[in-house]
Amino acid sequence: DMKVTQMPRYLIKRMGENVLLECGQDMSHETMYWYRQDPGLGLQLIYISYDVDSNSEGDIPKGYRVSRKKREHFSLILDSAKTNQTSVYFCASRNSGNTLYFGEGSRLIVV
Amino acid sequence: GEKVEQHESTLSVREGDSAVINCTYTDTASSYFPWYKQEAGKGLHFVIDIRSNVDRKQSQRLIVLLDKKAKRFSLHITATQPEDSAIYFCAAGNNYAQGLTFGLGTRVSVFP
Repeated sequence: DMKVTQMPRYLIKRMGENVLLECGQDMSHETMYWYRQDPGLGLQLIYISYDVDSNSEGDIPKGYRVSRKKREHFSLILDSAKTNQTSVYFCASRNSGNTLYFGEGSRLIVV
Repeated sequence: GEKVEQHESTLSVREGDSAVINCTYTDTASSYFPWYKQEAGKGLHFVIDIRSNVDRKQSQRLIVLLDKKAKRFSLHITATQPEDSAIYFCAAGNNYAQGLTFGLGTRVSVFP
């Protein structure tokens, strides 16, 4: 059905709590991404995954880690969330023609 | 690394007129230039792309132009309609394994 699904869509966490953002895709794409979107900063690349257990840091990986144990799932983990990690997080997968398919986003507020 | 500048942060156009969004990039190695559209509260959705082996591409009412010498590319939305109102992002990339670098977005508003 060519869909990228993100869960949860909205999340409020206290500073220091752990956060798990999940992403699934049904297109068997090998490469997946996590971006964050902030006003005035646009989209910033956090992590890339080339396939299961093959991950690479993007431009702003500090404070984040990822997990990809199945091709269709890519998780973003924040260990001990900080207030400056309040953002909208987007997951995307890439097809063989280099088109990115984005999820609807996960809005995280850290208080 | 690559830097992409999107020159218009907002654009208001009358329905039926054309909207033009301009972007410049810095890395001469970039060879792939897609455009994405984002509606309120949604993710980004691919609209059109151009690769460095051509300088013009059209898909229905969308035209993309690429000037490699000036490191500039642009999106032309012709005969605008209300549903064209959204934020448009340009992006550039070469080593696809490293992902795309996005501009900051242009908010396009089409008014009657």
